[in-house]
Amino acid sequence: DIVMTQSPDSLAVSLGERATISCKSSQSVFFTSNKKDYLAWYQQKPGQPPKLLIYWASSRASGVPDRFSGSGSGTEFTLTISSLQAEDVAIYYCQHYYTFPVTFGQGTHVEVK
Amino acid sequence: EVQLVESGGKLVKPGRSLRLTCLASGFTFDDHAMHWLRQTPEKGLEWVSSISWDGGSIGYAVSVKGRFTISRDNAKNSLYLEMNSLRPEDTALYYCGKAHQRDTATYYEAWGQGTLVTVSS
Repeated sequence: DIVMTQSPDSLAVSLGERATISCKSSQSVFFTSNKKDYLAWYQQKPGQPPKLLIYWASSRASGVPDRFSGSGSGTEFTLTISSLQAEDVAIYYCQHYYTFPVTFGQGTHVEVK
Repeated sequence: EVQLVESGGKLVKPGRSLRLTCLASGFTFDDHAMHWLRQTPEKGLEWVSSISWDGGSIGYAVSVKGRFTISRDNAKNSLYLEMNSLRPEDTALYYCGKAHQRDTATYYEAWGQGTLVTVSS
C-alpha cells in the first residue's frame, strides 16, 4: 500500500497569515500516460464529513475559495491556505488515488494562533 | 444538490451481521462508482470497498475481504454494505462516497454524513 505522511500534525496560524501543509507519498502517484498526479486534499470540520478541496494535486473543487491551492508532483505535495480565515479551522487530509487501496494521510489540524 | 444519506449503523455484538444503506440523490447515480469508507480516531480515514457504476467491478480492503459484501441498486439509487462476522476493530463511522467517475480508484466528490457502527459485547 502507498503510505501518505503529512506534516505537521498540527499547525497554529494567525488570522490572515499563510498556512502550509505537506504530504509525502511512499511512492510516486504521477501517472506518466496522462501526466497527472493522483492526489486530492480534503477539509473536515468537527461533526462533518470530509469535503473535497483539491484534486489532480492542484485543481480546486467547485465552490472552494481561491485562498486554497495545491502544488507538487511525484511524491511531495503541498496544500496552502494563503490567508487563514476563522472558518478554515479544521483537519486537512491528503489522499492518493493512484491505485487500490486508496489511502489517506493522518491529517493536519489547523487552528488559529 | 448531491445528497448521500447512510443508515443502518448500530451497536452489535462480535460475530453478528449488519447491513448499511446509502441513499443517493441529486445526481445521475449510475454514472458514478460508489465507495464505502470508514473513520476512527485511531486509524483515521480508511477505504473499505468500491463498486463500479454497473456493479461489474468490485474491490475490498484486505481487512474486510471475505466478510463484507458491497452491492448497488441503480433503480433505487442505493448502495449497500453487508457486513458479516463483525469484529471490534470494525467499529467506526461509515461513510459512502461518490466517485468522480464510473470505476477505478478515485477521489470523492461528495460524502454522506456517516452512520456509526459499534461492535462490542
